Amino acid sequence: IMLTQSPATLSVTPGESISLSCRASQSISTNLHWYQQKPNESPRVLIKYASQSISGIPSRFSGSGSGTDFTLNINRVEPEDFSVYYCQQSNSWPLTFGSGTKLEIK
Amino acid sequence: QIQLVQSGPELKKPGESLKISCKASGYTFTDYAMQWVKQAPGKGLQYMGWINTQTGKPTYADDFKERFVFSLETSASTAYLQINNLKNEDTATYFCVMGAHYFDYWGQGVMVTVSS
Repeated sequence: IMLTQSPATLSVTPGESISLSCRASQSISTNLHWYQQKPNESPRVLIKYASQSISGIPSRFSGSGSGTDFTLNINRVEPEDFSVYYCQQSNSWPLTFGSGTKLEIK
Repeated sequence: QIQLVQSGPELKKPGESLKISCKASGYTFTDYAMQWVKQAPGKGLQYMGWINTQTGKPTYADDFKERFVFSLETSASTAYLQINNLKNEDTATYFCVMGAHYFDYWGQGVMVTVSS
């Protein structure tokens, strides 16, 4: 299953609210997870199963979607949010990742 | 707390082999699968496959069926990734990850550089 993330790069000002997209090549129900990766760090999971929150993750991160179209929302971007975001599907093996969206400061 | 601690960086020549370790702590090692993820410099995440920590059976994604070997030392709560006949394109950071469907816990990554 291929995951297509858009845009590849998003330039925003801190305080803006944004949406990142992940589209699957076939229906994956809600078996879609989101990760954040900062430079020289390991990724960390932000959202599981499309919309379920993860303990310790700020509430400004939320997810939605099912089937083939998914969205990661960040309400009022903070300076520490500028990093790369990946989606990953677990509906069928092999597990796959999207190519990532880089969130950068405008 | 749950931790995955990986071995240190590696510098190898093409054709050589290496073995990366991933030591788990803070949970029962055999309760969760161990997954492996590759990240080439400046690139995205690529799923390599997983090993069943109860049976030791490895399963490889298509790009990793040749030259790559997942193994365990269960008594030491440690998983290993061996790469044989190294190629330049193996230059990457390799992560071990705990989790069956989504990836809860990540090792710090091992940077492998293959260069003549």
